[in-house]
Amino acid sequence: EAQVTQNPRYLITVTGKKLTVTCSQNMNHEYMSWYRQDPGLGLRQIYYSMNVEVTDKGDVPEGYKVSRKEKRNFPLILESPSPNQTSLYFCATSPYLGETQYFGPGTRLLVL
Amino acid sequence: GNSVTQMEGPVTLSEEAFLTINCTYTATGYPSLFWYVQYPGEGLQLLLKATKADDKGSNKGFEATYRKETTSFHLEKGSVQVSDSAVYFCALTYLGPNDYKLSFGAGTTVTVRA
Repeated sequence: EAQVTQNPRYLITVTGKKLTVTCSQNMNHEYMSWYRQDPGLGLRQIYYSMNVEVTDKGDVPEGYKVSRKEKRNFPLILESPSPNQTSLYFCATSPYLGETQYFGPGTRLLVL
Repeated sequence: GNSVTQMEGPVTLSEEAFLTINCTYTATGYPSLFWYVQYPGEGLQLLLKATKADDKGSNKGFEATYRKETTSFHLEKGSVQVSDSAVYFCALTYLGPNDYKLSFGAGTTVTVRA
């Protein structure tokens, strides 16, 4: 079954404690992306990757890091989380840049 | 730049009512336009899309037509059901020779009552 998985689904942490949210896809898609969803703001892109070892900033990259060492995985790293990073995070993939995206189930993060 | 603006919600309807959610875009080129739907507790999934002017996307009784003259991509459904309760997002992607832009609207929450 084609799917995008994210872990964890829910996370409560404290300010400054490094965390990683994993994203994995089994569709052999080139393009992967991270978004955050906040009330009234819709989805905003954090980072995207067009292929292995190729990543680029989206609209709101500050405070986040990503890596793309393998085609199937695209982890999101928060080196020093702050309360303003409390949000719902989605990973998405598509065969190529600009095409229909397939979203993961989301990770709800609360930073205290 | 390239961006989308969609109708603010929330929208509350009775079953079998007509639904319209407005979406307009600004674009420097010829973007592809999408409607995504997010059911409660789930990620977004594609509802329909259109890649060029005058294309009509349709799925599950929903339709939207890519109107270049009015820069719009309004979503419509003639008779909604309770199961259509969700958040709907308009989105565009633009892929040019030296430029890439992706933009989502803020989302419109639709609640359909029996």
